[in-house]
Order: sequence, then structure tokens, then C-alpha cells
Amino acid sequence: DAGVIQSPRHEVTEMGQEVTLRCKPISGHDYLFWYRQTMMRGLELLIYFNNNVPIDDSGMPEDRFSAKMPNASFSTLKIQPSEPRDSAVYFCASKGQGDRIQYFGAGTRLSVL
Amino acid sequence: EDQVTQSPEALRLQEGESSSLNCSYTVSGLRGLFWYRQDPGKGPEFLFTLYSAGEEKEKERLKATLTKKESFLHITAPKPEDSATYLCAVHRGGADGLTFGKGTHLIIQP
Repeated sequence: DAGVIQSPRHEVTEMGQEVTLRCKPISGHDYLFWYRQTMMRGLELLIYFNNNVPIDDSGMPEDRFSAKMPNASFSTLKIQPSEPRDSAVYFCASKGQGDRIQYFGAGTRLSVL
Repeated sequence: EDQVTQSPEALRLQEGESSSLNCSYTVSGLRGLFWYRQDPGKGPEFLFTLYSAGEEKEKERLKATLTKKESFLHITAPKPEDSATYLCAVHRGGADGLTFGKGTHLIIQP
């Protein structure tokens, strides 16, 4: 298996622009997680899905952030409008039903100028 | 609220110099404590899961232990390739996400 695949690996954008991050989970995994990593706050859970349904979005920082999972093999995290404080590395992770180990992608490094 | 505190923030060792990393946690209904390794520019890579106090797991030069309040990651005779950031995380009952500590940045000098 190719593992969790995220795109793009790097994104540089200007303040106010819309940003869309993409994730393909490991085939057969039922759970998908979005995390954000910064030096100040470390790795934080933003939202997670089970069987394509959002279960807990309490970590989403504000309404500018939204996430979707239209099918079992694809998810997006969108920021609109983006702000400099959104600059971070965004990770996607997945796990199977009954499995406690989460497998992470390589991340998307977002820089908002 | 779940809390995970890792210490030290950074640690520099000579090759072969053994040491331990600490992870202190506060969580309601612990379902598992996880150790991950993260290399620069990459995502966290799973190392161990511990479920109950007294449990220990080993992998090569690493051994993880668990008590009711903390976990230790012992590294014996480390090599330069063990240099990485080591992350601790907890999984509590009623939730599926993980709560992470900020990590320990470990450097092993040849």
C-alpha cells in the first residue's frame, strides 16, 4: 500500500486566498483525521471522519476552515479566506475500524504571506 | 481536558550514551498511550502502543514503559540514525482522536 497520500506537499499563498488541501487515506480504512502542527502548539486534532461522516470538528479553529469527505478515498480541508496565522504543517491520518494505530501522511506545509 | 507534557524539549547525546525521554499525561479513561517518531519533513511514524500500567514494549534500541501518570521512552546505546523528534500521544475513552505532546527533539552525535 502507498500509505496516506497528501497533496500538495508545499503551498504558498497570499492572505485572503482560498487554500485546499487534499488527502487520500489508506484503502480500507474507515477513519480519517486532519491535524495541524505548529512550533507553538504542537500537533493538534482539527476534525475526524468515520465512514465519510464528520464525527468531531471541535478542533476546527474557526468558520474559515471546512472539511469534506465525499467518498472513502478522498478528503479535503479548505481554508477561505486564508490568514498568515494559518501557516503550519497540516497532516492527514487514517486508521481501520477496530485498529488504534493512526497512520500519517507526509503533510502539507502551508505558508500564507 | 487531556494534557500531555514531554520533557526535555531537546536532548543531545553522544553515540552510545543511553538516556530516557519522559511523557507525563492527564487523561480521563486512558485507552492507549502512543509513541511516534517524526523525522524532518515527514509525518509521524508509529513506534509503540501501551495500554496499562506496568506494560513494556521494546524495539531495537528503544523500550517504552507506562505508569498511571507517565511513560518513558528509554534509548540504549543510541546511534546517529536515532536522531528525530519523539512524540507521545494519548487516546481516551469516548473519542478517536489523539492528544499529542509537543515532542522531544533528540540529537545523537557520532
